[in-house]
Amino acid sequence: QKEVEQNSGPLSVPEGAIASLNCTYSDRGSQSFFWYRQYSGKSPELIMFIYSNGDKEDGRFTAQLNKASQYVSLLIRDSQPSDSATYLCAVTQGQNFVFGPGTRLSVLP
Amino acid sequence: DVKVTQSSRYLVKRTGEKVFLECVQDMDHENMFWYRQDPGLGLRLIYFSYDVKMKEKGDIPEGYSVSREKKERFSLILESASTNQTSMYLCASSLPGGSPYNEQFFGPGTRLTVL
Repeated sequence: QKEVEQNSGPLSVPEGAIASLNCTYSDRGSQSFFWYRQYSGKSPELIMFIYSNGDKEDGRFTAQLNKASQYVSLLIRDSQPSDSATYLCAVTQGQNFVFGPGTRLSVLP
Repeated sequence: DVKVTQSSRYLVKRTGEKVFLECVQDMDHENMFWYRQDPGLGLRLIYFSYDVKMKEKGDIPEGYSVSREKKERFSLILESASTNQTSMYLCASSLPGGSPYNEQFFGPGTRLTVL
């Protein structure tokens, strides 16, 4: 069973700080990597995707991928209370996706 | 705006009933997925389909079946509902693996309660 693991939460950060979310995966054949945000009672929504090694920035969000270390991370700069949610890491395996268990983030005002 | 819709947001059924959950996407996606999500267990794949009339078992297919007669529609069937199938059910669709921008788009979810 190929696995995706995420740092255990909950993670609490003060408003304005940087939140760092980490994810490791076991399948070296994975090619696409995604970060989803899920608010309580809602469905996951895509916030970032990354395919190549290195950094990808989109507004306050930066995804980092290191395929050699099988590691992908999400940084949220200037965290806001509205960022409080569960963040799911997902990687592709062929036609399928494997999701991590999620990390719950709380941004404290 | 891309859309994945599910037939019901909330559903209450009795043990032993046959339950149909419908999912429709308007993005012409080849791949469609059914997950259930339970507290502490994360998203678990029940079935997925990569083409019309094609289906593959996921991690927890027992007690479920699926139907994909048209590209845009993927149905999940609980043949005889049981209380341990009380859960949030999420449908998703995507382009084929290996395609650029093949992220999954999720429907709003159906919260099913089996009494």
